[in-house]
Amino acid sequence: AQRVTQPEKLLSVFKGAPVELKCNYSYSGSPELFWYVQYSRQRLQLLLRHISRESIKGFTADLNKGETSFHLKKPFAQEEDSAMYYCALSGLYNFNKFYFGSGTKLNVKP
Amino acid sequence: EAGVTQFPSHSVIEKGQTVTLRCDPISGHDNLYWYRRVMGKEIKFLLHFVKESKQDESGMPNNRFLAERTGGTYSTLKVQPAELEDSGVYFCASSQEGRFSGNTIYFGEGSWLTVV
Repeated sequence: AQRVTQPEKLLSVFKGAPVELKCNYSYSGSPELFWYVQYSRQRLQLLLRHISRESIKGFTADLNKGETSFHLKKPFAQEEDSAMYYCALSGLYNFNKFYFGSGTKLNVKP
Repeated sequence: EAGVTQFPSHSVIEKGQTVTLRCDPISGHDNLYWYRRVMGKEIKFLLHFVKESKQDESGMPNNRFLAERTGGTYSTLKVQPAELEDSGVYFCASSQEGRFSGNTIYFGEGSWLTVV
């Protein structure tokens, strides 16, 4: 069964501290993994996708197929990173249906 | 460029009543999606339109939910009759034609539905 698990509902860190938001998935085929972010009073928007292998706003995420994980990391958190983060997957060949995790609220304290 | 717009942003209705949510995708986007997040749970796929055709409606909870996309433009999602468990945020999203991973999906701000 397709599933995305984000074990932490809330993650609080101090400004400048490293942050890691965990995401594990199960998918029967070849998945594509994404991180979406929703800042306060804004709409859900794409942060990054594994296929691009890029760093956005200092965030990176590496797909680990052995551990079926796609954790989001940033070495030095900023207050403006405070937001709701959703891990999501779609299939390489069924790419119009996303499976989302339940989200992790990141709170970066000054 | 206008983003995906949804109306209403908030709606409070009584159990048994009907509510219709509307979504206007980004102009030119053939793909339109509806998702829903109930409190504390994950965002779940409801259905996918390509132009006016329902491509995948496997996520629709039951026959109280009806989605339409007139002329391949805006879409409506009607809940009739509404039940308490229908409360949540309903997201609409759109993307251009083509391979999904090569195109970004754009979300609306969501329609908050509360059934009392």
